[in-house]
Amino acid sequence: DTAVSQTPKYLVTQMGNDKSIKCEQNLGHDTMYWYKQDSKKFLKIMFSYNNKELIINETVPNRFSPKSPDKAHLNLHINSLELGDSAVYFCASSQSFAVEQYFGPGTRLTVT
Amino acid sequence: AQSVAQPEDQVNVAEGNPLTVKCTYSVSGNPYLFWYVQYPNRGLQFLLKYITGDNLVKGSYGFEAEFNKSQTSFHLKKPSALVSDSALYFCAVNHNNAGNMLTFGGGTRLMVKP
Repeated sequence: DTAVSQTPKYLVTQMGNDKSIKCEQNLGHDTMYWYKQDSKKFLKIMFSYNNKELIINETVPNRFSPKSPDKAHLNLHINSLELGDSAVYFCASSQSFAVEQYFGPGTRLTVT
Repeated sequence: AQSVAQPEDQVNVAEGNPLTVKCTYSVSGNPYLFWYVQYPNRGLQFLLKYITGDNLVKGSYGFEAEFNKSQTSFHLKKPSALVSDSALYFCAVNHNNAGNMLTFGGGTRLMVKP
């Protein structure tokens, strides 16, 4: 009964490749997010997606693009992977504004 | 722009003693404040939040936090620490920004020793 799930858990790939990380939530929430956690454990918001409205953190390179096939899914697609993209990526969801977000278990991306 | 500071990279406390993990924030207007905990190789788990009302909020696992507007602080506390409380703790703020996006502090590692 995982509330927010992500696949894969681990992803190892080479520079220049394109990859996707999938996220699904079964909580009926209307907003989903992607966060990046670097090697120093610093967490940074990348995207927020609500009812087809996408809010992008201005610091995120345009190689990163979220794709939402439906309300329960928000996948993260990354083009032309770079070494600096290596991190743990967390998906999260919430019902509405000013309430807690529920996080997935994370996907550890390693770019070689 | 909103920001969150957690001044301590690590807090060490003996089991059974009270613990405090500090957090200060900077936003214009009224903040919405959160504490999350991260265990090794896991996602973040919500502990508690302050939106409005009583300055002392109670959350999961016996944790509580006190909102202090004049000091712009939201310190996390627990009267009696457990070894199992050892984890990475994050303070976060949301200032009614577009997209409900959280800004996190840098995290504080709590080590509770038997």
